[in-house]
Amino acid sequence: NAGVTQTPKFQVLKTGQSMTLQCAQDMNHNSMYWYRQDPGMGLRLIYYSASEGTTDKGEVPNGYNVSRLNKREFSLRLESAAPSQTSVYFCASSARQGPFVHTFGSGTRLTVV
Amino acid sequence: SQQGEEDPQALSIQEGENATMNCSYKTSINNLQWYRQNSGRGLVHLILIRSNEREKHSGRLRVTLDTSKKSSSLLITASRAADTASYFCATDVQYNTDKLIFGTGTRLQVFP
Repeated sequence: NAGVTQTPKFQVLKTGQSMTLQCAQDMNHNSMYWYRQDPGMGLRLIYYSASEGTTDKGEVPNGYNVSRLNKREFSLRLESAAPSQTSVYFCASSARQGPFVHTFGSGTRLTVV
Repeated sequence: SQQGEEDPQALSIQEGENATMNCSYKTSINNLQWYRQNSGRGLVHLILIRSNEREKHSGRLRVTLDTSKKSSSLLITASRAADTASYFCATDVQYNTDKLIFGTGTRLQVFP
């Protein structure tokens, strides 16, 4: 089925470890996004990529890096994980033009101990 | 900071009742969207309303938009237990149209 695929679904890291969250979409969307979701906070944008080759910071970019590998793939990297990065991470994609209706992946639940 | 704030934060109703949740936002928009999130899953797009529209229907969903009050409401009629989920509004921002800003969500519980 067409959609957004995220891996892994669950991950436990120790403080200071690094990891990369992978995201791929097969809807030929130009724009891709990474959000984090914390209780009572809704979704907060970490980074987004309006098109292949471009990335921009969102609301909460500190501690994260991203790579738009090609049109399909957009990865999120935590270089040195901290307990404050414990969260559920969602990748999404949309068409480049408004209204930017998002298609979301199923999420990655990350715990940093 | 959040663009959208949903109200109430949580809502519990019986099957068959209507559920109304509200969203307020801060800046001028082009479009407002509502999404649904089942527990442990990603968000799913429900309905979009443009800034020049006042009301829109889709099945049991009715969305209204009042741009003068910077607010929207989502009405789910004849609720079912399967409607139990969190509901989020999302807005783009006029003149800054690269992304959406999501509200904090309303948690709806529908009891059989």
